[in-house]
Amino acid sequence: SYELTQPPSVSVSPGQTARITCSGDALPKKYAFWYQQKSGQAPVVVISEDKKRPSGIPERFSGSSSGTMATLTISGAQMEDEADYYCYSTDSSGNHRVFGGGTKLTVL
Amino acid sequence: EVQLVESGGGLVKPGGSLRLSCAASGFTFSSHSMNWVRQAPGKGLEWVSSISSSSTYIYYADSMKGRFTISRDNAKNSLYLQMNGLRAEDTAVYYCARDSSQFDFFDYWGQGTQVTVSS
Repeated sequence: SYELTQPPSVSVSPGQTARITCSGDALPKKYAFWYQQKSGQAPVVVISEDKKRPSGIPERFSGSSSGTMATLTISGAQMEDEADYYCYSTDSSGNHRVFGGGTKLTVL
Repeated sequence: EVQLVESGGGLVKPGGSLRLSCAASGFTFSSHSMNWVRQAPGKGLEWVSSISSSSTYIYYADSMKGRFTISRDNAKNSLYLQMNGLRAEDTAVYYCARDSSQFDFFDYWGQGTQVTVSS
């Protein structure tokens, strides 16, 4: 079955840039989406269609995708950005949805 | 305002069955594909199943196929998940999630319902 691979954890100091990667064989043909999940809450999409920022998401969140890798960048990370981040996409058929394993972002 | 409210979770013994429901409001339910996503304790998100707006297309994650059945009732603005043959590893929070109208991703989520499988 199709898999998306993320690093388990990323740690940065406040104000630094955090980058979270996601690799998957179908990413050259399928969009990547990024979800933020804070403890005890439902996930919220922070990047859609590789690089679009939904309304209400701070400008410090950006996305990119090249080849088999998508990247979520948080420029000037803040303590409130501490959360689990999941990349999401579909397999090449589009019929099966897949999440990456998640990356715990620590800002301290 | 889009609202998705799950119900039907609880404690069930291994091998047992449970039916989850999701009540939708604030949007035209019959125009959107709908999904179930779960999250085991301390683990990541896992897609469970998707159903198209008119129930024509239904898909399951491999580990759930044959045990879980997704369905919907557009007249009642409701989504369902029938879970049979439950195992300890099915213990999770189950979320109902709406598909965006443009792309196959989840733009709105419910708050989830807890399912615990234990003897």
